[in-house]
Amino acid sequence: AQSVSQHNHHVILSEAASLELGCNYSYGGTVNLFWYVQYPGQHLQLLLKYFSGDPLVKGIKGFEAEFIKSKFSFNLRKPSVQWSDTAEYFCAAQNTNAGKSTFGDGTTLTVKP
Amino acid sequence: DTGVSQDPRHKITKRGQNVTFRCDPISEHNRLYWYRQTLGQGPEFLTYFQNEAQLEKSRLLSDRFSAERPKGSFSTLEIQRTEQGDSAMYLCASSLSRLAGHSSYNEQFFGPGTRLTVL
Repeated sequence: AQSVSQHNHHVILSEAASLELGCNYSYGGTVNLFWYVQYPGQHLQLLLKYFSGDPLVKGIKGFEAEFIKSKFSFNLRKPSVQWSDTAEYFCAAQNTNAGKSTFGDGTTLTVKP
Repeated sequence: DTGVSQDPRHKITKRGQNVTFRCDPISEHNRLYWYRQTLGQGPEFLTYFQNEAQLEKSRLLSDRFSAERPKGSFSTLEIQRTEQGDSAMYLCASSLSRLAGHSSYNEQFFGPGTRLTVL
């Protein structure tokens, strides 16, 4: 069965700390990978996506993610977090032959000012 | 605003009642998806349409749930005889399905959701 695992349920950081959120997927075949963010009171927004090509992808607001095929991972990183990054982050995988996405259970990030 | 819109944003109903939600996708998008999200979990896929055709339904979707997209534009999700376990956020997303070789690319844009509370 297709699945996505996010290892950290809740991460608390101080401003300027570096961030890495783990995401592993279990999928047969080729996948498209996504990170979404949900700020308090807002809807899901796409942070970045990987379809093919360079495994290091850059998204909005200084976020990046690296696709490591051998580890079935797509970890999200940011070198220096800000208070405004406080939000819930979801990793998602999508089989390239299908339309639906499978989401992880999310990681809540709290950044202390 | 040309994003995905959903109506209503909140719905409170009594157990056993029927409810219907509407989703208006981004106008040029050919695919429309419904997901359900409960507290502490990520969105779970329910069903999706390409134009007016319903291409896939999750096994999670009981026969009390039905979705339509009659003209390939907006979609409705109806839940009959609601149960307390149906309480959740119902999310709609749309995408423009693009093909490149044998692969498809579906960047999904999400609406704000409809929060359903069944008393």
